Amino acid sequence: EPEVTQTPSHQVTQMGQEVILRCVPISNHLYFYWYRQILGQKVEFLVSFYNNEISEKSEIFDDQFSVERPDGSNFTLKIRSTKLEDSAMYFCASSSLEEQYFGPGTRLTVT
Amino acid sequence: SQKIEQNSEALNIQEGKTATLTCNYTNYSPAYLQWYRQDPGRGPVFLLLIRENEKEKRKERLKVTFDTTLKQSLFHITASQPADSATYLCALEESGGYNKLIFGAGTRLAVHP
Repeated sequence: EPEVTQTPSHQVTQMGQEVILRCVPISNHLYFYWYRQILGQKVEFLVSFYNNEISEKSEIFDDQFSVERPDGSNFTLKIRSTKLEDSAMYFCASSSLEEQYFGPGTRLTVT
Repeated sequence: SQKIEQNSEALNIQEGKTATLTCNYTNYSPAYLQWYRQDPGRGPVFLLLIRENEKEKRKERLKVTFDTTLKQSLFHITASQPADSATYLCALEESGGYNKLIFGAGTRLAVHP
């Protein structure tokens, strides 16, 4: 069964460094998303992406964040200058209809 | 904006019994509502979607109801098993939100043998 994959599974970085989180969505899906979940808290929407552009973004998704679909398979989230409060699980998701399929997540730890 | 309330206390039940989880929302009624399962350290897994014009939806041992008057969805697991132990998340699409999902905090279910 097709699934969303994410790499790396765990990323440790120092404050102020740039990180790129990678995702391979399910191949025939057209909508892509990033969510994050701070430990013990709700899953929060960051951004949705369709037809090679951002459809919607939350207030969390400020100028430090960017997304890209550099080729036909990868979907990336870049955080330009990480802060301590960016530490969280980051989930990529994709969909063709309403239900979304989530990847296993990347645990980002900012020290 | 839309708020979703799920029972934050863990639900402990005996194997074989029916688990019932509640999701309440506060504002507009969404076109559809979804339920996901999340295991510790893992991503949410889609279980069921119910539309506003559907009162009930079933899939194997799972049943979801949707009452737009009460602004509530109930999620039932019949003949529960220890393997059903997980956190169950209710999710709604933000109005006009290009599939932007808002999640509840989830209810942790523990099924004891």
